[in-house]
Amino acid sequence: EPEVTQTPSHQVTQMGQEVILRCVPISNHLYFYWYRQILGQKVEFLVSFYNNEISEKSEIFDDQFSVERPDGSNFTLKIRSTKLEDSAMYFCASSIRGRGGYTFGSGTRLTVV
Amino acid sequence: GQQVMQIPQYQHVQEGEDFTTYCNSSTTLSNIQWYKQRPGGHPVFLIQLVKSGEVKKQKRLTFQFGEAKKNSSLHITATQTTDVGTYFCAVFLNAGGTSYGKLTFGQGTILTVHP
Repeated sequence: EPEVTQTPSHQVTQMGQEVILRCVPISNHLYFYWYRQILGQKVEFLVSFYNNEISEKSEIFDDQFSVERPDGSNFTLKIRSTKLEDSAMYFCASSIRGRGGYTFGSGTRLTVV
Repeated sequence: GQQVMQIPQYQHVQEGEDFTTYCNSSTTLSNIQWYKQRPGGHPVFLIQLVKSGEVKKQKRLTFQFGEAKKNSSLHITATQTTDVGTYFCAVFLNAGGTSYGKLTFGQGTILTVHP
């Protein structure tokens, strides 16, 4: 079964450093997303991306965050200057339709120290 | 504003007992999705409901969408230890223009099953 692949699985970074989280969505999917989940809490929407541009973003997704699809396969989330409160599990997801079910990757656990 | 509430937050059952989680919205929904997240895992899509009053079954799981499309439930018959995890409903909120909106997750119900 097709999978969404995320790397790295775990990233530890110093506060103030930049991090890039990487995702390879399912190849025939057209819609891409980033979510995050702080330990034990709900899954929070960050951003959706379609046709090479952001289609929706949440209030969490401020100027410190950016997304990019640098080539035909990768989808990245960049956090420019990490804060302690950015520590969370970050999930990438993709879907074939804008209102269909999402396929999530296994996540990147980001720890900011 | 628009929001979706999911109850209960936790449910502990003995293996073989039934389990139900409920999702309620203050506004009419276009559709609703359900996801399962195993401990330490990622959300896995279970089903999408679109029609008023819709009922769908997947083996021991029964999903319902309310007649007014403001609530939904997931019922598991005769739970097994493999059912352990967090069950989330998810809805599209704040759609506008060409955007489909944000798929917004409920708070989830954590199910534990005692063998």
